Amino acid sequence: GAVVSQHPSWVICKSGTSVKIECRSLDFQATTMFWYRQFPKQSLMLMATSNEGSKATYEQGVEKDKFLINHASLTLSTLTVTSAHPEDSSFYICSAKEPNYNEQFFGPGTRLTVL
Amino acid sequence: RKEVEQDPGPFNVPEGATVAFNCTYSNSASQSFFWYRQDCRKEPKLLMSVYSSGNEDGRFTAQLNRASQYISLLIRDSKLSDSATYLCVVRSNAGKSTFGDGTTLTVKP
Repeated sequence: GAVVSQHPSWVICKSGTSVKIECRSLDFQATTMFWYRQFPKQSLMLMATSNEGSKATYEQGVEKDKFLINHASLTLSTLTVTSAHPEDSSFYICSAKEPNYNEQFFGPGTRLTVL
Repeated sequence: RKEVEQDPGPFNVPEGATVAFNCTYSNSASQSFFWYRQDCRKEPKLLMSVYSSGNEDGRFTAQLNRASQYISLLIRDSKLSDSATYLCVVRSNAGKSTFGDGTTLTVKP
């Protein structure tokens, strides 16, 4: 299957700092990428849909000014958690939609810990 | 009511057992359906797509009933390596995926 990478795989930061997470589709072009968040013992919750060349679409309850999404190319979407706080500590996972198939491929996730 | 609801579990079964997971969804406009497997602290991995005609992949059988908005997964001859959390996923035409909370399976020797 297609490969999606995320970087970094884990990050620890101080409260108040901003953290950028990258999601890359390695062997296909993804016009649409999705960002999810998963808290311990809970399922994945969609945060936003990232569309190449246009603004992201955020789910209800997700602050767009706090979670900045940029999808500047067909193979890269970034999620920036601004002014991170301990409650933002979570597992952030992206997925990329392979345009020729009805399939999404998930990145390996980024584990964020805010102290 | 959640959009996708699964058996809460956990399921603890002996090796060789047959186990079935159920899932219901509320959005009748949902287009595609999947079962994913997630191991602890890892990303979800696609197990299989689910079709109305039913599909089988080795020991795994998935079934979709659109009229009842119900999805099932049957695992036969459980292996220790089947221990994981199984996620029911419903996807819209736009590609937006909604995940169930997952059902945890532990297969014991």
